[in-house]
Amino acid sequence: AQSVTQLDSQVPVFEEAPVELRCNYSSSVSVYLFWYVQYPNQGLQLLLKYLSGSTLVESINGFEAEFNKSQTSFHLRKPSVHISDTAEYFCAVSNSGYSTLTFGKGTMLLVSP
Amino acid sequence: EAGVAQSPRYKIIEKRQSVAFWCNPISGHATLYWYQQILGQGPKLLIQFQNNGVVDDSQLPKDRFSAERLKGVDSTLKIQPAKLEDSAVYLCASSQGLAGQETQYFGPGTRLLVL
Repeated sequence: AQSVTQLDSQVPVFEEAPVELRCNYSSSVSVYLFWYVQYPNQGLQLLLKYLSGSTLVESINGFEAEFNKSQTSFHLRKPSVHISDTAEYFCAVSNSGYSTLTFGKGTMLLVSP
Repeated sequence: EAGVAQSPRYKIIEKRQSVAFWCNPISGHATLYWYQQILGQGPKLLIQFQNNGVVDDSQLPKDRFSAERLKGVDSTLKIQPAKLEDSAVYLCASSQGLAGQETQYFGPGTRLLVL
């Protein structure tokens, strides 16, 4: 069985400040890791994913996440956030078998001016 | 490319009534998923289809929930009878294949309120 822990339910931050959203996972097999974002009144959309290779993955809008196998973590970071980054962020894990995703409870990123 | 379509967007019913949700996946996507997202929690998989066959329905409460994907394209999810704890957002997603590295594409969801 696999599980995902997102310890922070809300992260308030000021615009242009850096942010880190934490994600830890548990799995007995090799995993694939995902961050999905849900903007208000919209469906979930993929932000970035780690499949293999370089442990640092980046999104087109400035977010990055690093896969750390020894710490079983996949934290999401952005050096400078914008108001438009306000959304709920979900970390998810799947394995090399079926594509079933297991999600964390989500972290609400609240960016204020 | 059109995204995943879902209807209705909102539904309010009384407990013990029945309700049905519809999903049309992205064209050509063989795998379709239904998730339940209760307020304050992440999405939880209810059922997964590969074409018109069920791959995983281990977390579907089969005494009241049913789902079908008869022609391997559209899908419906039904609840009968509904309970108060079924209040949630029901998300449909699709992916090209079944492998773990596939990206899932989500619809906007159907928000259900059971009174």
